[in-house]
Amino acid sequence: ETGVTQSPTHLIKTRGQQVTLRCSSQSGHNTVSWYQQALGQGPQFIFQYYREEENGRGNFPPRFSGLQFPNYSSELNVNALELDDSALYLCAAQRDLTGETQYFGPGTRLLVL
Amino acid sequence: QKEVEQDPGPLSVPEGAIVSLNCTYSNSAFQYFMWYRQYSRKGPELLMYTYSSGNKEDGRFTAQVDKSSKYISLFIRDSQPSDSATYLCAMSAGNSGGYQKVTFGTGTKLQVIP
Repeated sequence: ETGVTQSPTHLIKTRGQQVTLRCSSQSGHNTVSWYQQALGQGPQFIFQYYREEENGRGNFPPRFSGLQFPNYSSELNVNALELDDSALYLCAAQRDLTGETQYFGPGTRLLVL
Repeated sequence: QKEVEQDPGPLSVPEGAIVSLNCTYSNSAFQYFMWYRQYSRKGPELLMYTYSSGNKEDGRFTAQVDKSSKYISLFIRDSQPSDSATYLCAMSAGNSGGYQKVTFGTGTKLQVIP
């Protein structure tokens, strides 16, 4: 077990709607990264949060936004959903911004119809 | 050209075979190299973590990094049906720009046949 949990496990939305995905990790993992994994592809980096601040962003539009809370849990929000947003959304937690690797949650599978 | 290239497979081997999985990359700034295993409908699970060039062994798994060739490998000895999964290589330049952006390959699907 990685100690990283995500909710919900599955979600179905329609185009144009908004969605919020959640991630929690064990104590001490103050850095959270979010990834999008399309079917048959590797995870693509969306952004990273460190101590409640966005600390880096991949090539995703502003309708992808996030939050990190004082207990280090995190949310990923996606507005104006598009069909191509259908994917597995993964969060990964790590301790600080060191080179230590990241531990992934099981993911939330989002289907946009 | 993608920063990280990985043959998607699928790769089918008989139980007990030695499996070789490989990735090439183009970004010379990468210095942290990881291998993840991902079962169907699950999140990636870290298998091996290597800094810079060299070999690292953990049980049946051996990771090799050749930075001069920009080539990394994962070897699985005495493969088992439970090893059937998708294997993702991943790499990072470290705290480049103040955060650790990890770049993944597309994954190689492995099937070990009993």
